[in-house]
Amino acid sequence: DQQVKQNSPSLSVQEGRISILNCDYTNSMFDYFLWYKKYPAEGPTFLISISSIKDKNEDGRFTVFLNKSAKHLSLHIVPSQPGDSAVYFCAASGENAGNMLTFGGGTRLMVKP
Amino acid sequence: EAGVAQSPRYKIIEKRQSVAFWCNPISGHATLYWYQQILGQGPKLLIQFQNNGVVDDSQLPKDRFSAERLKGVDSTLKIQPAKLEDSAVYLCASSLNRVNIQYFGAGTRLSVL
Repeated sequence: DQQVKQNSPSLSVQEGRISILNCDYTNSMFDYFLWYKKYPAEGPTFLISISSIKDKNEDGRFTVFLNKSAKHLSLHIVPSQPGDSAVYFCAASGENAGNMLTFGGGTRLMVKP
Repeated sequence: EAGVAQSPRYKIIEKRQSVAFWCNPISGHATLYWYQQILGQGPKLLIQFQNNGVVDDSQLPKDRFSAERLKGVDSTLKIQPAKLEDSAVYLCASSLNRVNIQYFGAGTRLSVL
């Protein structure tokens, strides 16, 4: 039973364009959501997060949107750069889940120069 | 600030052998996590420590996996005996406490032949 799903295993985008990565969740008790980025042979690194009391959080080129009614969140990268090429993981947690992270399967983003 | 250190980086063993992984978290981080990441999937939590006590080990296959965090700092994860399906990257992460951002090490890639 996958509680966090990333339905697109890969995404290819031209440099300078917008990248949109999507994530869906099923557990309504999740109240905190994170995006992690992973380069090959490295551990995941924290990118951006959002609390369920917000519907948008922005940090430079990265913006996360949360639609609680649809149980959907998305990560927007504008403009995309070749260095953004990595695997992106969506993760969710909730106080009732012991604040433990449940990860999606990841989306591999390729930004072409 | 030094990150989460893990060793070894790679390990190849035959099935039914035993193996151990070591993790040194970021200094001052009370919470330590071990994750298993199978190829093409997101990280899955195996066990969570708060200082030297276990918070959650519900996903740990206790018939073959064990973990300890003596003195509330370093941690070891052991598999005995290993099975083919244990081939994965084992990630260690730490956070200041249970509600903070988790920082990951580079992981140990285990291949069971």
